[in-house]
Amino acid sequence: AQSVTQLGSHVSVSEGALVLLRCNYSSSVPPYLFWYVQYPNQGLQLLLKYTSAATLVKGINGFEAEFKKSETSFHLTKPSAHMSDAAEYFCAVRGGRSNTGKLIFGQGTTLQVKP
Amino acid sequence: GAVVSQHPSWVICKSGTSVKIECRSLDFQATTMFWYRQFPKQSLMLMATSNEGSKATYEQGVEKDKFLINHASLTLSTLTVTSAHPEDSSFYICSALQGGGIYNEQFFGPGTRLTVL
Repeated sequence: AQSVTQLGSHVSVSEGALVLLRCNYSSSVPPYLFWYVQYPNQGLQLLLKYTSAATLVKGINGFEAEFKKSETSFHLTKPSAHMSDAAEYFCAVRGGRSNTGKLIFGQGTTLQVKP
Repeated sequence: GAVVSQHPSWVICKSGTSVKIECRSLDFQATTMFWYRQFPKQSLMLMATSNEGSKATYEQGVEKDKFLINHASLTLSTLTVTSAHPEDSSFYICSALQGGGIYNEQFFGPGTRLTVL
């Protein structure tokens, strides 16, 4: 079975500082990994996804993530935080031929950006 | 990108009543849709997988007789919360899988806030 663990339920950074949100996965098959962002009272928006191509994945809004099989990690980064980045971030995994396409989400990380 | 809508965006109902939530894929066909539930400050928990023309597949611990799912067309899935109680109050989010492949992108609706008094 697949699962993801997000380390740190709350991350606070200053505007302009590096953003690092951690995600570790567990999967018995090559995983498909995703990062989503959720603004208050809204659905989820896809930031980026890893589907076994390049290990460094670039997404929207300046975010990127690197797939590291040896560390079973898929951490999300952004070089310089903006106030508008404040939101809830979810890492998710989907994989395996027996899987119906459903996503398994991590616990979520709240990103706070201080002026 | 593809758009998924939900209706209503919020609903308040009395305990014991039933509430229907619609999930529509506006510009693509979706043979598979998913229903999630999210409590405040928590993650999304998959409730069920909705397949067009067949019975939904429920996750363990989800009461299928309480959360009725109907996927009558390639663009519409509905979730009916029957005999709602305050503990059913939550944020319900649907998503739709674009195309037939399970590795295709999943698009999320904006969510429905259900409050049961």
